[in-house]
Amino acid sequence: EAEVAQSPRYKITEKSQAVAFWCDPISGHATLYWYRQILGQGPELLVQFQDESVVDDSQLPKDRFSAERLKGVDSTLKIQPAELGDSAMYLCASSLAGDTAYEQYFGPGTRLTVT
Amino acid sequence: AQSVTQLDSQVPVFEEAPVELRCNYSSSVSVYLFWYVQYPNQGLQLLLKYLSGSTLVESINGFEAEFNKSQTSFHLRKPSVHISDTAEYFCAVSVPEAGTALIFGKGTTLSVSS
Repeated sequence: EAEVAQSPRYKITEKSQAVAFWCDPISGHATLYWYRQILGQGPELLVQFQDESVVDDSQLPKDRFSAERLKGVDSTLKIQPAELGDSAMYLCASSLAGDTAYEQYFGPGTRLTVT
Repeated sequence: AQSVTQLDSQVPVFEEAPVELRCNYSSSVSVYLFWYVQYPNQGLQLLLKYLSGSTLVESINGFEAEFNKSQTSFHLRKPSVHISDTAEYFCAVSVPEAGTALIFGKGTTLSVSS
């Protein structure tokens, strides 16, 4: 069964450093999402892509976060500089377009710890 | 703005007992409703969804949820739980008019013991 791939699975970094996460969606999925899940909370949307275009980045802290999906396939989420409050699980999800667009498939996540 | 409230943060039950995980949502427009399950160190998996039609939806592993528009609820139930059902359960909504992104509740930890 096809899965959403994410790397790394775990990342420890010091505050003020740069960090990047990678996501490879299920083949053929045009829509890609990045969510942040703080411990004890539900995931919150950071950014949504349709192919290579950003559909919604209203909750992305743009002063330090950036996301790209240059060829409309895999995606990178970057934080620079990282802050202590960025410690969380970063989840990537993907979905098809059309009637099944609401079925999102999640990757295993990247757990970030900022020290 | 839409929001999701999961009324119980933790639900401990014994194996083979019934369970209900409660979810209420707030929205002034029509929404789609979902339950996701997250096992330890894994990503979220879609358990079941309500988009339209029958208000009672079922999953392949015995869970069911009923959409109640008047009470703005989408409670998850299972008549007999197994140890393997131990996980975090998230209720989520999506607003068709606003796109496909999900708004999640804070989650309910279901702990099944023998």
